[in-house]
Amino acid sequence: EIVLTQSPVTLSLSPGERATLSCRTSQSVTNNFLAWYQQRPGQAPRLLIYDTSTRATGIPDRFSGSGSGTGFTLTISRLEPEDSAVYYCQQYGTSLLTFGGGTKVEIK
Amino acid sequence: EVQLVQSGAEVKKPGESLNISCTVSGYTFTRYWIGWVRQLPGKGLEWMGIVYPGDSDTRYSPSFQGQVTISADKSISAASLHLSSLRASDTAIYYCARHIQAYYYDSSGYPHSSYYFDYWGQGTLVTVSS
Repeated sequence: EIVLTQSPVTLSLSPGERATLSCRTSQSVTNNFLAWYQQRPGQAPRLLIYDTSTRATGIPDRFSGSGSGTGFTLTISRLEPEDSAVYYCQQYGTSLLTFGGGTKVEIK
Repeated sequence: EVQLVQSGAEVKKPGESLNISCTVSGYTFTRYWIGWVRQLPGKGLEWMGIVYPGDSDTRYSPSFQGQVTISADKSISAASLHLSSLRASDTAIYYCARHIQAYYYDSSGYPHSSYYFDYWGQGTLVTVSS
């Protein structure tokens, strides 16, 4: 099983600032098959990024993904109040799908 | 518009069983894998398993194999999650999600499937309490 470790656990930033979220995996992710999801309070998760860097339909371009191997990053270039949420990474480089523990982004 | 609509919240006693449904619209139900993700209170996400409605092929996470049953009914475009012998530790939100298939090859060159989730249901809160 590939274990995903996200950091930081909590990120507190002001609107307009840049957020950098990290996802490290216990082994290299085949084909860089990594996705990111946003979960706002009381809502279901929403797909943001797949294949490490491809934005899902309707996702604004201030969300971007990068990385390879065992290190991946989600960047939110200019935070907006509605970005307050928990963000999860998920690997699908093996048939046993696993998620990271999440990073909570708070907007000051 | 793709939509996944789940059945409502449930309160059950230990030992009881439960079915949660997920009715889809806006796409051809039989062409995509659909499955379930659990979220324990205040915790992260756990993948449980999937079904391919086209032929009812199912796959389970080892953590949930034998503990749950996933099925699909093509006639009503709905997937189901069956939980039996409920325990307090089954208290959680259960999400259905449409799975997008990706392919990778192992070191022997054998192909395998994997998935990420592009559309989600609204979640069903299951509370198990005596």
